[in-house]
Amino acid sequence: GENVEQHPSTLSVQEGDSAVIKCTYSDSASNYFPWYKQELGKRPQLIIDIRSNVGEKKDQRIAVTLNKTAKHFSLHITETQPEDSAVYFCAVHNYGQNFVFGPGTRLSVLP
Amino acid sequence: GAVVSQHPSWVICKSGTSVKIECRSLDFQATTMFWYRQFPKQSLMLMATSNEGSKATYEQGVEKDKFLINHASLTLSTLTVTSAHPEDSSFYICSARPGQGFVNTEAFFGQGTRLTVV
Repeated sequence: GENVEQHPSTLSVQEGDSAVIKCTYSDSASNYFPWYKQELGKRPQLIIDIRSNVGEKKDQRIAVTLNKTAKHFSLHITETQPEDSAVYFCAVHNYGQNFVFGPGTRLSVLP
Repeated sequence: GAVVSQHPSWVICKSGTSVKIECRSLDFQATTMFWYRQFPKQSLMLMATSNEGSKATYEQGVEKDKFLINHASLTLSTLTVTSAHPEDSSFYICSARPGQGFVNTEAFFGQGTRLTVV
Protein backbone atom coordinates (compact mmCIF):
# COMPACT_ATOMS: atom_id res chain seq x y z
CA GLY A 1 0.00 0.00 0.00
CA GLU A 2 0.86 3.66 -0.08
CA ASN A 3 3.53 4.91 2.32
CA VAL A 4 3.69 8.61 3.08
CA GLU A 5 6.55 10.25 4.93
CA GLN A 6 6.61 13.84 6.08
CA HIS A 7 9.50 16.00 7.25
CA PRO A 8 10.23 17.71 9.50
CA SER A 9 8.04 16.53 12.35
CA THR A 10 8.42 19.88 14.11
CA LEU A 11 9.38 23.25 12.71
CA SER A 12 9.89 26.58 14.44
CA VAL A 13 10.32 29.77 12.45
CA GLN A 14 10.40 33.45 13.23
CA GLU A 15 7.41 35.50 12.18
CA GLY A 16 7.92 36.71 8.63
CA ASP A 17 10.22 33.87 7.63
CA SER A 18 9.30 31.05 5.26
CA ALA A 19 8.41 27.48 6.17
CA VAL A 20 8.77 24.42 3.97
CA ILE A 21 7.36 20.97 4.68
CA LYS A 22 8.09 18.01 2.44
CA CYS A 23 6.23 14.77 1.84
CA THR A 24 7.31 11.69 -0.06
CA TYR A 25 5.08 8.88 -1.24
CA SER A 26 5.56 5.46 -2.72
CA ASP A 27 2.69 4.75 -5.13
CA SER A 28 3.39 6.28 -8.53
CA ALA A 29 -0.31 5.95 -9.42
CA SER A 30 -1.31 8.53 -6.80
CA ASN A 31 -2.76 11.58 -8.48
CA TYR A 32 -4.10 14.00 -5.88
CA PHE A 33 -2.06 15.68 -3.15
CA PRO A 34 -3.85 17.91 -0.61
CA TRP A 35 -2.42 19.70 2.40
CA TYR A 36 -4.45 20.11 5.57
CA LYS A 37 -4.05 22.42 8.53
CA GLN A 38 -5.31 21.22 11.88
CA GLU A 39 -5.59 23.39 14.95
CA LEU A 40 -5.79 21.77 18.35
CA GLY A 41 -9.05 19.87 18.82
CA LYS A 42 -10.44 20.89 15.46
CA ARG A 43 -11.04 19.21 12.15
CA PRO A 44 -8.42 19.28 9.41
CA GLN A 45 -8.96 22.10 6.96
CA LEU A 46 -7.89 21.86 3.34
CA ILE A 47 -5.51 24.72 2.60
CA ILE A 48 -4.18 23.84 -0.83
CA ASP A 49 -4.05 20.87 -3.16
CA ILE A 50 -2.39 19.86 -6.39
CA ARG A 51 -3.11 17.27 -9.02
CA SER A 52 -0.64 15.10 -10.82
CA ASN A 53 -0.81 17.03 -14.08
CA VAL A 54 0.43 20.25 -12.43
CA GLY A 55 3.88 21.04 -11.07
CA GLU A 56 3.14 24.04 -8.90
CA LYS A 57 0.17 25.87 -7.47
CA LYS A 58 0.06 29.08 -5.46
CA ASP A 59 -2.58 30.75 -3.33
CA GLN A 60 -1.40 34.00 -1.75
CA ARG A 61 1.22 33.05 0.88
CA ILE A 62 0.83 29.32 0.35
CA ALA A 63 2.25 27.25 -2.49
CA VAL A 64 2.65 23.57 -3.25
CA THR A 65 5.17 22.02 -5.62
CA LEU A 66 5.02 18.49 -6.97
CA ASN A 67 7.77 16.34 -8.42
CA LYS A 68 6.06 13.23 -9.76
CA THR A 69 9.28 11.64 -10.96
CA ALA A 70 10.83 11.81 -7.52
CA LYS A 71 7.47 11.21 -5.81
CA HIS A 72 7.58 14.14 -3.46
CA PHE A 73 5.65 17.34 -2.93
CA SER A 74 6.21 20.29 -0.65
CA LEU A 75 4.20 22.96 1.12
CA HIS A 76 5.69 26.46 1.14
CA ILE A 77 4.40 29.17 3.46
CA THR A 78 5.91 32.63 3.04
CA GLU A 79 5.73 35.61 5.39
CA THR A 80 4.61 33.37 8.23
CA GLN A 81 2.29 34.74 10.89
CA PRO A 82 1.51 33.46 14.41
CA GLU A 83 -1.88 32.23 13.21
CA ASP A 84 -0.06 29.84 10.87
CA SER A 85 0.96 27.84 13.95
CA ALA A 86 -0.76 24.45 13.72
CA VAL A 87 -0.18 20.88 12.67
CA TYR A 88 0.04 20.37 8.94
CA PHE A 89 -0.73 17.06 7.26
CA CYS A 90 -0.03 16.07 3.72
CA ALA A 91 -2.20 13.44 2.12
CA VAL A 92 -1.94 11.28 -0.94
CA HIS A 93 -4.85 9.93 -2.91
CA ASN A 94 -5.28 7.58 -5.79
CA TYR A 95 -8.57 7.86 -7.61
CA GLY A 96 -11.00 5.33 -6.23
CA GLN A 97 -8.84 4.65 -3.20
CA ASN A 98 -8.54 6.21 0.23
CA PHE A 99 -6.56 9.17 1.43
CA VAL A 100 -3.33 8.27 3.19
CA PHE A 101 -2.09 10.93 5.55
CA GLY A 102 1.45 11.82 6.47
CA PRO A 103 2.42 11.81 10.16
CA GLY A 104 2.13 15.58 10.46
CA THR A 105 4.37 18.58 11.08
CA ARG A 106 3.91 20.84 14.07
CA LEU A 107 4.68 24.38 12.92
CA SER A 108 5.35 27.07 15.49
CA VAL A 109 5.68 30.67 14.34
CA LEU A 110 7.47 32.70 16.96
CA PRO A 111 6.56 36.38 17.27
CA GLY B 1 -17.80 24.17 -0.04
CA ALA B 2 -19.69 21.16 1.23
CA VAL B 3 -20.60 20.83 4.90
CA VAL B 4 -20.18 17.72 7.00
CA SER B 5 -21.68 17.75 10.48
CA GLN B 6 -20.53 15.31 13.15
CA HIS B 7 -22.32 14.78 16.44
CA PRO B 8 -21.59 14.78 19.30
CA SER B 9 -18.46 16.91 19.42
CA TRP B 10 -17.43 15.33 22.68
CA VAL B 11 -18.69 12.51 24.86
CA ILE B 12 -17.68 10.92 28.14
CA CYS B 13 -18.90 7.40 28.81
CA LYS B 14 -18.35 4.66 31.32
CA SER B 15 -16.26 1.64 30.48
CA GLY B 16 -18.39 -1.13 29.00
CA THR B 17 -21.05 1.10 27.50
CA SER B 18 -21.62 1.88 23.82
CA VAL B 19 -21.38 5.23 22.10
CA LYS B 20 -22.85 6.26 18.75
CA ILE B 21 -21.33 9.00 16.62
CA GLU B 22 -23.21 10.47 13.67
CA CYS B 23 -21.77 11.95 10.51
CA ARG B 24 -24.08 13.86 8.20
CA SER B 25 -23.46 15.53 4.86
CA LEU B 26 -25.71 18.58 4.97
CA ASP B 27 -25.76 19.84 1.41
CA PHE B 28 -24.58 16.99 -0.73
CA GLN B 29 -25.01 13.27 -1.13
CA ALA B 30 -22.03 11.32 0.14
CA THR B 31 -21.50 8.14 -1.77
CA THR B 32 -18.51 7.31 0.41
CA MET B 33 -17.75 8.16 4.02
CA PHE B 34 -14.55 7.53 5.90
CA TRP B 35 -13.97 7.14 9.62
CA TYR B 36 -10.63 8.11 11.12
CA ARG B 37 -9.16 7.90 14.58
CA GLN B 38 -6.56 10.34 15.81
CA PHE B 39 -4.59 9.83 19.01
CA PRO B 40 -2.89 12.83 20.63
CA LYS B 41 -0.05 14.25 18.59
CA GLN B 42 -0.54 11.63 15.90
CA SER B 43 -1.87 11.57 12.38
CA LEU B 44 -5.27 10.52 11.19
CA MET B 45 -5.55 6.76 10.84
CA LEU B 46 -8.23 5.38 8.59
CA MET B 47 -10.47 2.91 10.40
CA ALA B 48 -13.01 2.05 7.75
CA THR B 49 -14.66 3.11 4.54
CA SER B 50 -18.39 2.92 4.11
CA ASN B 51 -20.46 3.10 0.97
CA GLU B 52 -24.17 3.74 1.12
CA GLY B 53 -26.17 0.56 1.28
CA SER B 54 -23.27 -1.83 1.61
CA LYS B 55 -21.06 -3.17 4.36
CA ALA B 56 -18.14 -1.11 5.52
CA THR B 57 -14.60 -2.05 4.61
CA TYR B 58 -12.37 -2.08 7.65
CA GLU B 59 -8.65 -1.45 7.75
CA GLN B 60 -6.36 -4.13 9.05
CA GLY B 61 -6.32 -4.25 12.81
CA VAL B 62 -9.68 -2.54 13.29
CA GLU B 63 -12.27 -4.79 14.96
CA LYS B 64 -15.46 -4.63 12.95
CA ASP B 65 -17.51 -6.08 15.81
CA LYS B 66 -16.30 -3.35 18.12
CA PHE B 67 -16.63 -0.43 15.72
CA LEU B 68 -19.98 -0.82 14.02
CA ILE B 69 -20.51 1.35 10.98
CA ASN B 70 -23.84 1.92 9.31
CA HIS B 71 -24.20 3.99 6.14
CA ALA B 72 -27.95 3.72 5.73
CA SER B 73 -28.48 6.76 3.53
CA LEU B 74 -26.54 9.05 1.24
CA THR B 75 -26.36 11.70 3.95
CA LEU B 76 -25.78 9.74 7.15
CA SER B 77 -23.18 7.35 8.46
CA THR B 78 -22.89 6.24 12.07
CA LEU B 79 -20.02 4.78 14.06
CA THR B 80 -20.90 2.87 17.21
CA VAL B 81 -18.11 2.06 19.62
CA THR B 82 -19.38 -0.99 21.49
CA SER B 83 -18.26 -1.99 24.96
CA ALA B 84 -15.94 1.00 25.09
CA HIS B 85 -12.74 0.83 27.11
CA PRO B 86 -10.30 3.55 28.17
CA GLU B 87 -7.96 2.66 25.32
CA ASP B 88 -10.74 3.61 22.89
CA SER B 89 -10.48 7.20 24.10
CA SER B 90 -9.50 9.20 21.04
CA PHE B 91 -10.56 11.85 18.55
CA TYR B 92 -12.81 10.30 15.90
CA ILE B 93 -13.30 12.17 12.62
CA CYS B 94 -15.47 11.35 9.67
CA SER B 95 -15.08 12.60 6.16
CA ALA B 96 -17.43 12.39 3.24
CA ARG B 97 -16.81 12.27 -0.44
CA PRO B 98 -19.54 13.64 -2.69
CA GLY B 99 -20.92 11.90 -5.68
CA GLN B 100 -21.98 14.13 -8.52
CA GLY B 101 -21.22 17.83 -8.71
CA PHE B 102 -17.77 17.81 -7.13
CA VAL B 103 -14.30 16.93 -8.25
CA ASN B 104 -14.31 13.26 -7.52
CA THR B 105 -11.29 13.29 -5.26
CA GLU B 106 -12.37 15.95 -2.80
CA ALA B 107 -13.39 14.95 0.71
CA PHE B 108 -14.81 17.07 3.51
CA PHE B 109 -14.30 16.53 7.23
CA GLY B 110 -16.68 16.60 10.14
CA GLN B 111 -15.80 18.55 13.29
CA GLY B 112 -14.61 15.43 15.06
CA THR B 113 -15.77 13.72 18.25
CA ARG B 114 -13.58 13.53 21.31
CA LEU B 115 -14.43 10.31 23.13
CA THR B 116 -13.29 9.81 26.69
CA VAL B 117 -13.97 6.47 28.32
CA VAL B 118 -13.70 6.45 32.11
